[in-house]
Amino acid sequence: GQNIDQPTEMTATEGAIVQINCTYQTSGFNGLFWYQQHAGEAPTFLSYNVLDGLEEKGRFSSFLSRSKGYSYLLLKELQMKDSASYLCAARDSNYQLIWGAGTKLIIKP
Amino acid sequence: IAGITQAPTSQILAAGRRMTLRCTQDMRHNAMYWYRQDLGLGLRLIHYSNTAGTTGKGEVPDGYSVSRANTDDFPLTLASAVPSQTSVYFCASSALVETGELFFGEGSRLTVL
Repeated sequence: GQNIDQPTEMTATEGAIVQINCTYQTSGFNGLFWYQQHAGEAPTFLSYNVLDGLEEKGRFSSFLSRSKGYSYLLLKELQMKDSASYLCAARDSNYQLIWGAGTKLIIKP
Repeated sequence: IAGITQAPTSQILAAGRRMTLRCTQDMRHNAMYWYRQDLGLGLRLIHYSNTAGTTGKGEVPDGYSVSRANTDDFPLTLASAVPSQTSVYFCASSALVETGELFFGEGSRLTVL
């Protein structure tokens, strides 16, 4: 079957670094996506990985290991506005996204 | 720039009633999607459309129908609402099926009593 696993909730301190892990199992693979969703709002696109390695975009970086079925999202210099849910999604061979339940990130001052 | 507009933003509905959630995009995207989001679960795909005139079933299509008469509009209809359809519904679009970045509407919160 197809499955995405990510932690339900994480807590971090303002100014620190946090890593949100995601493991996936899909029928075929066409990329791994991370989205941010603030409470009561729509998800917004953060990053896309299709090749192994690290993609950096400002304070956010995303890593992919296809052989391990593993990705992480790294957030540096945390700000209070980073408090949100982070959704991991893998795209299968039919180009459909399989979504994790999301990781709620709580930032404390 | 509107992007994707959904209506209504919130609705309370009696069980057995028919309801249509509207979705309009102004980005000329080919692909459109309807998801539902429930607490503790990931986004689940209800129906999708790869291009105007075509539709397909997602993971949880039962009780829902869609149409795609043109590029911009992708309404979702609940023929006879049931309480288990209480959820937040998101419409999304992407330039192409192969494009990974989805643009989401603000969501429609539906409560079926």
